Amino acid sequence: SQKIEQNSEALNIQEGKTATLTCNYTNYSPAYLQWYRQDPGRGPVFLLLIRENEKEKRKERLKVTFDTTLKQSLFHITASQPADSATYLCALSGDSSYKLIFGSGTRLLVRP
Amino acid sequence: GAVVSQHPSWVICKSGTSVKIECRSLDFQATTMFWYRQFPKQSLMLMATSNEGSKATYEQGVEKDKFLINHASLTLSTLTVTSAHPEDSSFYICSAPPDRGPSYEQYFGPGTRLTVT
Repeated sequence: SQKIEQNSEALNIQEGKTATLTCNYTNYSPAYLQWYRQDPGRGPVFLLLIRENEKEKRKERLKVTFDTTLKQSLFHITASQPADSATYLCALSGDSSYKLIFGSGTRLLVRP
Repeated sequence: GAVVSQHPSWVICKSGTSVKIECRSLDFQATTMFWYRQFPKQSLMLMATSNEGSKATYEQGVEKDKFLINHASLTLSTLTVTSAHPEDSSFYICSAPPDRGPSYEQYFGPGTRLTVT
């Protein structure tokens, strides 16, 4: 069955450093990979989408890479800030369906 | 940007009663909406796909007679938890992709916290 793995342990980093989160998947060939941010008690908020034929995508301090050979995506936040503290979810989808399959999320804590 | 609302934001009900949760796309039309459930410290689990004008499609293991979904219009989907039990207590979230294709992001509602006593 399809499986998406994100580091279940919280990532604790110092303000100003780069946070790197990992998303690995098996038994799936997604057309799109998306990253969302979720704050406690709130719905997810879209951050970035990357297509299977793209290697890298950037948006302001965010960068996503997508390696379909390794079946892995890396999500980077540069110059991290305490306001970046949240849970980050990766989600996969196919080419013909809106249906998203979510990973379990990684909680990021940025210390001032 | 596109906004999805949910109502209520939280609800407490007694065991055995039914609860209705609304999901609305405020500034765009959505022929498809999704309903998720999220337990504490866990990820979003897709429950069902709500289709405007047709029956919902439920994921494996989700009881369609317990979780009734009605997609009444292009901007409204409702989830009714029937005969709720304490184990149904969870965070229910809907999402609505704009009708532009799966290569675009989805918009999520703020969620509804259901507590069954």
